Amino acid sequence: QVQLVQSGAEVKSPGASVRVSCKASGYTFSGFFLHWVRQAPGQGLEWMAWINPNSGDTKFGQKFQDWVTLTRDTSISTVYMELSRLKSDDTATYYCARAKGYCTGVACYKSAFDIWGQGTTVTVSS
Amino acid sequence: AIQLTQSPSSLSASVGDRVTITCRASQGITSALVWYQQKPGKPPNLLIYDASTLESGVPLRFSGTRSGTDFTLTITSLQPEDFATYFCQQLNSYPLTFGGGTTVEIK
Repeated sequence: QVQLVQSGAEVKSPGASVRVSCKASGYTFSGFFLHWVRQAPGQGLEWMAWINPNSGDTKFGQKFQDWVTLTRDTSISTVYMELSRLKSDDTATYYCARAKGYCTGVACYKSAFDIWGQGTTVTVSS
Repeated sequence: AIQLTQSPSSLSASVGDRVTITCRASQGITSALVWYQQKPGKPPNLLIYDASTLESGVPLRFSGTRSGTDFTLTITSLQPEDFATYFCQQLNSYPLTFGGGTTVEIK
């Protein structure tokens, strides 16, 4: 079935980096944008970025563009998100999500996040 | 950034009730508005996109409407599995933003 499976929970010290993976299966990997969304404990949802698995193009929210990196490996249908210079307030559950429709540098069109990964909890603590 | 203001932030309702949740955008977003349902410890689940298009497999008791920059999610005849938190999201411009959420609790 169509699914996104994320890597396991991580505990990191402030200033460290972490890489979270998101493996797609059950559909054509290159055919759908993948987004990343985070949710701090007990809080709402915050959009971070997207990657076009076909081209490798990315778009980041301004808050994330200097410390978040997205890459993909099409041979194994996997997207990676690397978070650098972690702070305690980056403690959150990070989700990858497949999007219907498409996105450009201006906006997303006929889009919505229809398949979500199970989430990866990243805890930043000294 | 476009702000989405959801109201109420929480509500108590009984099985069988009609529930309405509102999401107001701080500026025009055309119909690029999505509704999700989230249960504790789970990722969000897509309900409605393009303001009023029901996602495949979502029960017909869920519906969405748009009036200008005001968007509404309606659940007719609330079911036990509908007790959850609901979020709206706009995809009209970056950064993509979510509303603060509405928690539907059992009365």
